[in-house]
Amino acid sequence: DGGITQSPKYLFRKEGQNVTLSCEQNLNHDAMYWYRQDPGQGLRLIYYSQIVNDFQKGDIAEGYSVSREKKESFPLTVTSAQKNPTAFYLCASARSGEGNQPQHFGDGTRLSIL
Amino acid sequence: GQQLNQSPQSMFIQEGEDVSMNCTSSSIFNTWLWYKQDPGEGPVLLIALYKAGELTSNGRLTAQFGITRKDSFLNISASIPSDVGIYFCAGHQGGSEKLVFGKGTKLTVNP
Repeated sequence: DGGITQSPKYLFRKEGQNVTLSCEQNLNHDAMYWYRQDPGQGLRLIYYSQIVNDFQKGDIAEGYSVSREKKESFPLTVTSAQKNPTAFYLCASARSGEGNQPQHFGDGTRLSIL
Repeated sequence: GQQLNQSPQSMFIQEGEDVSMNCTSSSIFNTWLWYKQDPGEGPVLLIALYKAGELTSNGRLTAQFGITRKDSFLNISASIPSDVGIYFCAGHQGGSEKLVFGKGTKLTVNP
């Protein structure tokens, strides 16, 4: 089945530790996105990528890093510089970054601090 | 970043009732999208709207793209318990590759 797979479903981070969240899609979509969701809040954009080997900062990029070495994969690293990492992280993809294409979401990774 | 004004923030209704929620903005949008999110899962696309005035249905759901391009509404008819969840509106503005999201409407349906 075509879709977006995020892993792990739950992740725990120790103080000072970097952790990486995986996002893989087999929809042949060019654009991929990472969002952070906090309780009672909408989705806030962390990073996005419209094409392989290129990505742009979103509204809350500080403390996060990404890479886009393959079209199918867009991993997000939550670095130790992110002082409040506890949140629900959502990955999305779209056919392209332009033309008003709808974004389709994975099932999320919930990150907590130990 | 900009956010859409989505209302109401929450709704508590009886099974069988109709529901209406809306999103407004001070800016023009070229696309309006409506998503539903179940607890612990990612949002699922319900309806996409691409033209001002467009009215689109998906089963018991109906959504409209406001004629001014600054608002959209979603109606759910004859609600059932599985309609429970958080409904988000989202939109694209011209020249932007980003989606702007509302804060969501949390729907509770009492059997």
